[in-house]
Amino acid sequence: GAGVSQSPSNKVTEKGKDVELRCDPISGHTALYWYRQRLGQGLEFLIYFQGNSAPDKSGLPSDRFSAERTGESVSTLTIQRTQQEDSAVYLCASSLRAENYGYTFGSGTRLTVV
Amino acid sequence: AQSVTQLGSHVSVSEGALVLLRCNYSSSVPPYLFWYVQYPNQGLQLLLKYTSAATLVKGINGFEAEFKKSETSFHLTKPSAHMSDAAEYFCAVSSAGGTSYGKLTFGQGTILTVHP
Repeated sequence: GAGVSQSPSNKVTEKGKDVELRCDPISGHTALYWYRQRLGQGLEFLIYFQGNSAPDKSGLPSDRFSAERTGESVSTLTIQRTQQEDSAVYLCASSLRAENYGYTFGSGTRLTVV
Repeated sequence: AQSVTQLGSHVSVSEGALVLLRCNYSSSVPPYLFWYVQYPNQGLQLLLKYTSAATLVKGINGFEAEFKKSETSFHLTKPSAHMSDAAEYFCAVSSAGGTSYGKLTFGQGTILTVHP
C-alpha cells in the first residue's frame, strides 16, 4: 500500500480483556517497529522486527504484551488482560531497511481501557 | 544508552516570528538525529534527519537543524512561523548497529503554538 495502515483506529475495551492491534507496513519494507505514546508523553519503543524475526523486544512492558509478524508483512501486537495503564496510542512504523532511518509511521491505534 | 531532552514542553510564537525548538542528546556512539512532527490525530512525519553528513540539515516546510557535537545539541529552527506549523514536535536519536538497528529514542515532545 501507499502508507502504513493500522487497525482499528480506535479501540475501547474493558479491563481484563485481550486486544489485538494490526499493522500493515509499506510493501517491501523489511523493518517494522511498534511504539507506544501515552498521553502527554513521548514515544516508547516496544519491539523491532527485521523480516519476521524480532531482534529487539526489550521495550515490551510485561509478559502480557506480545507481537508477531508473518510473511515479512503484517504485524499484530497483542495485549492480554488489559489494564488501565495500557491506555495509549500504539504506533507502528516501517522502513525499507533498518539502516535507512527513513521511518514511515501509521496513524496509530488509540486504545482506551475502561 | 541514549537519551533525548527537549527543553520546553510548550513553545508559543507569533506568526512570522522565529521558531526555535531545543533538543539535547546523550549518546555513547556517534548519533543519528531526527525531528518528527505530529499534527492532531495523525501519525508522525519525518521533518529532517542528521546522519553524519552536513551538520546543517534542511528539512521540509522550511525547517532546518544544526548538529553541534560540542554542545550535544540538535535544535530545530524556522525563520518565520506559519499558522500551519502548530503541532507537536519530537526529537529522536538512533541506536545504530547491533540488534537494535534503527531503533529510535524519542524526547518528550514540544507543542508549538502559533498566534496570529
